[in-house]
Amino acid sequence: DGGITQSPKYLFRKEGQNVTLSCEQNLNHDAMYWYRQDPGQGLRLIYYSQIVNDFQKGDIAEGYSVSREKKESFPLTVTSAQKNPTAFYLCASSIGFGLMGGETQYFGPGTRLLVL
Amino acid sequence: GENVEQHPSTLSVQEGDSAVIKCTYSDSASNYFPWYKQELGKRPQLIIDIRSNVGEKKDQRIAVTLNKTAKHFSLHITETQPEDSAVYFCAASIRGYSTLTFGKGTMLLVSP
Repeated sequence: DGGITQSPKYLFRKEGQNVTLSCEQNLNHDAMYWYRQDPGQGLRLIYYSQIVNDFQKGDIAEGYSVSREKKESFPLTVTSAQKNPTAFYLCASSIGFGLMGGETQYFGPGTRLLVL
Repeated sequence: GENVEQHPSTLSVQEGDSAVIKCTYSDSASNYFPWYKQELGKRPQLIIDIRSNVGEKKDQRIAVTLNKTAKHFSLHITETQPEDSAVYFCAASIRGYSTLTFGKGTMLLVSP
């Protein structure tokens, strides 16, 4: 899991502002994921990508957007449409769907987003 | 879709006791069940996982058991230590087909 980095560690958002969270991995993993963590809610899937230039919505995609232009990078944008963005955001990666061990996900250190 | 229920939400034990956390899942096709440990402010870390071709797996003080008929699986920690204190999450998925669905977590507190 040391091969997954997220930045920044803390991020502050003002009203009406879009902010982008960075996630980079050097594990040569095909699949990447974004989760939101709220106290007592566990981890909820926002978006995931199985391969470059492809991504799918998770359970709580509204108010978020992603891109996957490079295998190593999967940035998440929290848009102004997300009315309650305060949470701990975790990025993860796995070898890839359908591959041996591909279901095992490894997490980055997370970004804590706070609203000013 | 899959639904994973996890109990208890909080578990307090004395150092040296055993701890058991239970999860139930709804999709009988699920066949991969990992457990993650998350210390305060840190990332979740995989501690053990089990696939549906086995009923039990052990790794030192940690074991996971799976009952596919009843659709539940459990984490067992023996000889607990204060450093075991953390939030533990279970999850389930269909290998090669679906993403992980997580339980809501169990906060384990181990008192010296």
